[in-house]
Amino acid sequence: AQSVSQHNHHVILSEAASLELGCNYSYGGTVNLFWYVQYPGQHLQLLLKYFSGDPLVKGIKGFEAEFIKSKFSFNLRKPSVQWSDTAEYFCAVNRYTGGFKTIFGAGTRLFVKA
Amino acid sequence: GAGVSQTPSNKVTEKGKYVELRCDPISGHTALYWYRQSLGQGPEFLIYFQGTGAADDSGLPNDRFFAVRPEGSVSTLKIQRTERGDSAVYLCASSSSAGATSSTDTQYFGPGTRLTVL
Repeated sequence: AQSVSQHNHHVILSEAASLELGCNYSYGGTVNLFWYVQYPGQHLQLLLKYFSGDPLVKGIKGFEAEFIKSKFSFNLRKPSVQWSDTAEYFCAVNRYTGGFKTIFGAGTRLFVKA
Repeated sequence: GAGVSQTPSNKVTEKGKYVELRCDPISGHTALYWYRQSLGQGPEFLIYFQGTGAADDSGLPNDRFFAVRPEGSVSTLKIQRTERGDSAVYLCASSSSAGATSSTDTQYFGPGTRLTVL
């Protein structure tokens, strides 16, 4: 079955620590890849996305993600987290198949200690 | 409006009742998506509209679920004979198009409707 796996359900970091959240997907072929973030009390919003081109994509607030096709991975990184990065992060994948079924991972809850 | 809006924000109903959930997408967005998010899970795709038509309804769990978008803007998700397992947050998102390679295909999410079936 098509799926998106996020390896860590909960992550706790201190401010200034580096962050890497894993995401693997099971689709073959051409995919579009996304990371969404949901801050406490807010809507889901796009952090960054990859459609084609440079596999290292940069998003808002200093986040970046690297698409590694051979590993079916799209890991999210940030060199130095802040307390305000406390949120839930979702990896998502879709393919253009005539429809647009986007599959989300289960999410990773990040808590950054001040 | 400035963003995607959903009404009601909360809905409590009894098992077996019928409910309607409404989504107002961003003005001009042709693509509209419905998702369901259960506790501890990511959003689960239900249905996608391009304009007035449902381009992909493969995520609807069974025939108790139905969605419409008659004029290509507002959409209503309808659930018949609700069951306790339908309790979840129902999310709506819209985007300006559904092109596979367009950089404008960000989905903008609404705040969701929290449905509780007693």
